[in-house]
Amino acid sequence: AQSVTQLDSQVPVFEEAPVELRCNYSSSVSVYLFWYVQYPNQGLQLLLKYLSGSTLVKGINGFEAEFNKSQTSFHLRKPSVHISDTAEYFCAVSSNTGGFKTIFGAGTRLFVKA
Amino acid sequence: DAGVTQSPTHLIKTRGQQVTLRCSPKSGHDTVSWYQQALGQGPQFIFQYYEEEERQRGNFPDRFSGHQFPNYSSELNVNALLLGDSALYLCASSQTIGVLGTQETQYFGPGTRLLVL
Repeated sequence: AQSVTQLDSQVPVFEEAPVELRCNYSSSVSVYLFWYVQYPNQGLQLLLKYLSGSTLVKGINGFEAEFNKSQTSFHLRKPSVHISDTAEYFCAVSSNTGGFKTIFGAGTRLFVKA
Repeated sequence: DAGVTQSPTHLIKTRGQQVTLRCSPKSGHDTVSWYQQALGQGPQFIFQYYEEEERQRGNFPDRFSGHQFPNYSSELNVNALLLGDSALYLCASSQTIGVLGTQETQYFGPGTRLLVL
């Protein structure tokens, strides 16, 4: 069975500071990994994804994430956040060997302060 | 190119009633998944439809059922509504690839917010 743990439920940070949102996963098979962002009263928007290849993945809005297989982690980073980055961020995992469902973490609320 | 669309955007029902939610996938996608997102939680997988059949189901009771049409659009039906069914219902579409049925990326719609009173 697969699972996702987002280690921080809330992350407050000042504008223009760097941020890291942590995600660990467990799986007995090879995985695809995703980060989604959800703004208030909206659906999920894909930020970035790891399918294969380079372990450093760049996404939209200046975000990037690094796949670390040995530590089973997929932490999300941004070197300088903006007020507009305030949102809920979800890490997710799915199998790349035919499993059909995507498992989501509980989410991390990023709150950017002026 | 339209993305994933869902209707209605909001819905209010009372306990015991039945509800139908609708989803149109992104162009070129043949697979639709449904998720329930309770307030303050991550989305939970309900089920997935491909080739008009349910091919995987999460831990949801039989009150939750669905359908996929030949044009790949889908419906989620919930019978005998409970207060605990109040949530944002998200539809996601993807393209199934290969004999193993791998999907690379899901794209989500804006959701239908259901309130059960």
